[in-house]
Amino acid sequence: DAKTTQPTSMDCAEGRAANLPCNHSTISGNEYVYWYRQIHSQGPQYIIHGLKNNETNEMASLIITEDRKSSTLILPHATLRDTAVYYCTSSLFHDKIIFGKGTRLHILP
Amino acid sequence: DVKVTQSSRYLVKRTGEKVFLECVQDMDHENMFWYRQDPGLGLRLIYFSYDVKMKEKGDIPEGYSVSREKKERFSLILESASTNQTSMYLCASSFVSGFDTGELFFGEGSRLTVL
Repeated sequence: DAKTTQPTSMDCAEGRAANLPCNHSTISGNEYVYWYRQIHSQGPQYIIHGLKNNETNEMASLIITEDRKSSTLILPHATLRDTAVYYCTSSLFHDKIIFGKGTRLHILP
Repeated sequence: DVKVTQSSRYLVKRTGEKVFLECVQDMDHENMFWYRQDPGLGLRLIYFSYDVKMKEKGDIPEGYSVSREKKERFSLILESASTNQTSMYLCASSFVSGFDTGELFFGEGSRLTVL
């Protein structure tokens, strides 16, 4: 079973910020939170990851709550190309990485 | 750039055949993974390996086996293919640093059809 839970789908208007939530209330203190996205049938691509602090890169921002029970991936200015399935995962050292079903994000023109 | 190469993009096999899916990565990654993806079910972990000759079961190992004789190569084996193993198979690898499993790099996938 996935350690993370996500909404099945979300809509966001083009140009607006897309905020994708993830619940990971059972992860351990050393587990990292990773986000990936998958477009069509391509393999998932890495977006961002973090442990405790908020993180930002050229693609997105990751906000992790202080208790680490949840996080939010933020795409600051969503475009039609951001339409994809987004996966939140947690991982530790040599442990298995479970993806779950992810969130299907629809960007509306 | 990290490259994860899966041997076949498309395969068609018959029920009962033995099927080998090969995956090779060129960045000396310790971890390697095999997932299958089916509509509506997301990615499901079949097996993973964190070192040569080491293997661990994922969530759906039944009907599959794996082999990792060399660090760069991780093979998925279907001993006797069945129609319910028709799926997209994705291989991935990662570099471990401390507690961090590292980001996964995926191959392009192998779409297997079992008739």
